[in-house]
Amino acid sequence: AQSVAQPEDQVNVAEGNPLTVKCTYSVSGNPYLFWYVQYPNRGLQFLLKYITGDNLVKGSYGFEAEFNKSQTSFHLKKPSALVSDSALYFCAVFTPDSSYKLIFGSGTRLLVRP
Amino acid sequence: NAGVTQTPKFQVLKTGQSMTLQCAQDMNHEYMSWYRQDPGMGLRLIHYSVGAGITDQGEVPNGYNVSRSTTEDFPLRLLSAAPSQTSVYFCASSYSKVGPGELFFGEGSRLTVL
Repeated sequence: AQSVAQPEDQVNVAEGNPLTVKCTYSVSGNPYLFWYVQYPNRGLQFLLKYITGDNLVKGSYGFEAEFNKSQTSFHLKKPSALVSDSALYFCAVFTPDSSYKLIFGSGTRLLVRP
Repeated sequence: NAGVTQTPKFQVLKTGQSMTLQCAQDMNHEYMSWYRQDPGMGLRLIHYSVGAGITDQGEVPNGYNVSRSTTEDFPLRLLSAAPSQTSVYFCASSYSKVGPGELFFGEGSRLTVL
């Protein structure tokens, strides 16, 4: 069965500093990996995805993520955090042989302090 | 272009009552899904559909029914509500015909079962 782990419930970072939100996955087969962001009382918004190709994926709002097959990780990164980046971030995984199920991690709350 | 529309936004039920959460999308997406979001547990897939007339179970399908008679609509029915079904429910759709792809989420429906 496929699964996603986000080991940190919360990440705190100062504005202007780089941020990393961690994600590891467990699947059989090739993973399709996604990051979503959720602002308070809103639905989730797509940030970026990895299907194949370059291991470094760039997405919305200056975010990027690095796919590491050997470590089964897909960490979300941003070189310089903004206070407005404070939100709940979800990693998700899908495999083409998983009957179209996109499975989400438990989420990581990012708090960027001024 | 309204995207994904969920109704109602809030609902309070008594144990044993039934109700339907409505979901409609105007993007001609083949893939639609329902998730529930609970604190510390992320999003869990309830049911999904890859096209009109085709539905399948997700991670937590018990107590819920779905149907997909049109491409646009994907209602979620609670047959006999239980307090354990208190949650925030999200409907999401995707243009991809080979999997969930990039999901577009509704604003959510907050359900309380007393």
